[in-house]
Amino acid sequence: EDKVVQSPLSLVVHEGDTVTLNCSYEVTNFRSLLWYKQEKKAPTFLFMLTSSGIEKKSGRLSSILDKKELFSILNITATQTGDSAVYLCAVARIAGTASKLTFGTGTRLQVTL
Amino acid sequence: DAGVTQSPTHLIKTRGQHVTLRCSPISGHKSVSWYQQVLGQGPQFIFQYYEKEERGRGNFPDRFSARQFPNYSSELNVNALLLGDSALYLCASSSDRGRGSVSYEQYFGPGTRLTVT
Repeated sequence: EDKVVQSPLSLVVHEGDTVTLNCSYEVTNFRSLLWYKQEKKAPTFLFMLTSSGIEKKSGRLSSILDKKELFSILNITATQTGDSAVYLCAVARIAGTASKLTFGTGTRLQVTL
Repeated sequence: DAGVTQSPTHLIKTRGQHVTLRCSPISGHKSVSWYQQVLGQGPQFIFQYYEKEERGRGNFPDRFSARQFPNYSSELNVNALLLGDSALYLCASSSDRGRGSVSYEQYFGPGTRLTVT
């Protein structure tokens, strides 16, 4: 059975701190790993990673994938209160003819002043 | 350009009733996927449609059904509602990668919050 495990489950940091969120997976027919930010309802797309060792960056956020060890990390530097959200990791795989996302339970990040 | 839209925003139903949720994908996207997100959990795959055909189905009972229309919008139907069907229902759209395959990047709508009492 496909498995996506995120850690920690929740995290409280002070504004300006750097955080690292972890995602490990066991999935057949792996294609890509995706990160989303969910504040209230709609998960917002952050990154899609397909190749190992290539860091993707967007402002203060960056992410990297290790396909040998089956994990990914999401880094957020100089955190701001607006970064408070649930961060979801999802793995895309082929299931029959579908491109299916399997999600972890998420990491709840709270950034305090 | 508008993102993925879903309606209604909120819905309250009683056990045994039927519900229809609607989704319009991003313009130009031909694939729609449906997910159920229970409080405190990640979204769980229900269906994927591409070009009006069902591409895949998750581990959900036959009470759940869906369809996609020629304009690529989609409906999710749930019959004989149970209390456990209370959740946020998310629709995601993705583009065509060519040769009938769907991009792995999925963009989500705001969801429909369904409460079954």
